[in-house]
Amino acid sequence: GENVEQHPSTLSVQEGDSAVIKCTYSDSASNYFPWYKQELGKGPQLIIDIRSNVGEKKDQRIAVTLNKTAKHFSLHITETQPEDSAVYFCAVRGENTGFQKLVFGTGTRLLVSP
Amino acid sequence: EADIYQTPRYLVIGTGKKITLECSQTMGHDKMYWYQQDPGMELHLIHYSYGVNSTEKGDLSSESTVSRIRTEHFPLTLESARPSHTSQYLCASSPPGQGPTLFFGSGTQLSVL
Repeated sequence: GENVEQHPSTLSVQEGDSAVIKCTYSDSASNYFPWYKQELGKGPQLIIDIRSNVGEKKDQRIAVTLNKTAKHFSLHITETQPEDSAVYFCAVRGENTGFQKLVFGTGTRLLVSP
Repeated sequence: EADIYQTPRYLVIGTGKKITLECSQTMGHDKMYWYQQDPGMELHLIHYSYGVNSTEKGDLSSESTVSRIRTEHFPLTLESARPSHTSQYLCASSPPGQGPTLFFGSGTQLSVL
């Protein structure tokens, strides 16, 4: 089945710095790559996603880039703020996972210090 | 904000008890999911449903069972709880169309003593 690796597992940055989280996947047929943010005591929430026909997508301070050849995609957060502190998950949907299911990465705990 | 509700938020129960975790959504979504989240944060799909009377096992084997008699309701049942079932259980739903875009509930933290 699909294997999704996510790095780093923890990331500490100063407010205003940028943060980058990277995921790699194994199934070349995968075609949908969302990112979820989980705040303490809550369920994960979709923050941005990208499809395989697009290389980059931006939404204000967050962006996702996709390299299909290398089978990896990354989340970029610029000008980080304390409220960005949370656990971030990448996910993958592909032919081998079933088109209505997602396989999640192992999560990255981001801490933004004021 | 998504309208998907899980009850109870916290449950502490003794070994051998039967429990049902409730999940309801008011968005009319056809697809629903149960994920188990371990202390290391990883999310594991344990059950999913494409619609009424449809249930499938997920990628992680689970002793729990689910039912989908109504579109809005997707309860999870453990017939005999054990300490190894201690975990966070997250319910999610997804509308028709491309994605899936999952809307998660706030979860049930289950502790089996």
